[in-house]
Amino acid sequence: QVHLVQSGPEVRKPGASVKVSCKTSGYTFTTYGYSWVRQAPGQEPEWMGYISAYSGNKKYAQNFQGRVTMTTDASTSTAYMELRSLTSDDTAVYYCARDAQYCSTASCYFDFDSWGQGTLVTVSS
Amino acid sequence: QSVVTQPPSASGNPGQRVTISCSGSNSNIGSNIVNWYQQLPGAAPKLLISADDQRPSGVPDRFSGSRSGTSASLAISGLQSEDEGEYYCATWDDSLNGPVFGGGTKVTVL
Repeated sequence: QVHLVQSGPEVRKPGASVKVSCKTSGYTFTTYGYSWVRQAPGQEPEWMGYISAYSGNKKYAQNFQGRVTMTTDASTSTAYMELRSLTSDDTAVYYCARDAQYCSTASCYFDFDSWGQGTLVTVSS
Repeated sequence: QSVVTQPPSASGNPGQRVTISCSGSNSNIGSNIVNWYQQLPGAAPKLLISADDQRPSGVPDRFSGSRSGTSASLAISGLQSEDEGEYYCATWDDSLNGPVFGGGTKVTVL
């Protein structure tokens, strides 16, 4: 059975960084990629970026370029997302999602077929 | 504000059919697949429909999806109380070079 289990809630002060983990089980970790999606209170989900656990290729959303780093550790089947220079606008639930993302010359495909339970990150002084 | 638009709410009586629309442009829905996600209160989103009209294993056949031109839709037939929640469409946007979500539609079972 596919499981994605994320690390616990975090509280940070403005200007700090946070690193969220996503430990997977039930399938071959390196067969998939992983997207990170955040959801601010009362808002729609927002895609932050993607990393392939097979190739290491990464793609970050424009809104997070220069401020986010995504990594994977195949030895522990875990994906990580670090976000720096936090502000109160970064208060949200952060999700990891398994993603079979790829782009052809004509179009792009993604799915987010399994999700972690979410990690609440609160940024407050 | 999202580049993909959904009605904020939809409702129906138990057993009825509800349809949710998702409207975009040539740079997103017009040229890329659409997925639909169900988010129940306090839970993570769950993939309901992938690649316009494909139901993942375990999703009841009461849920169906379609895409035409720059719009897509999700239909829920035989509405049940456990279907109450938020529904999001998502598609790839070529201009943003990544997935984007619609603003969400809250479904209420009367």
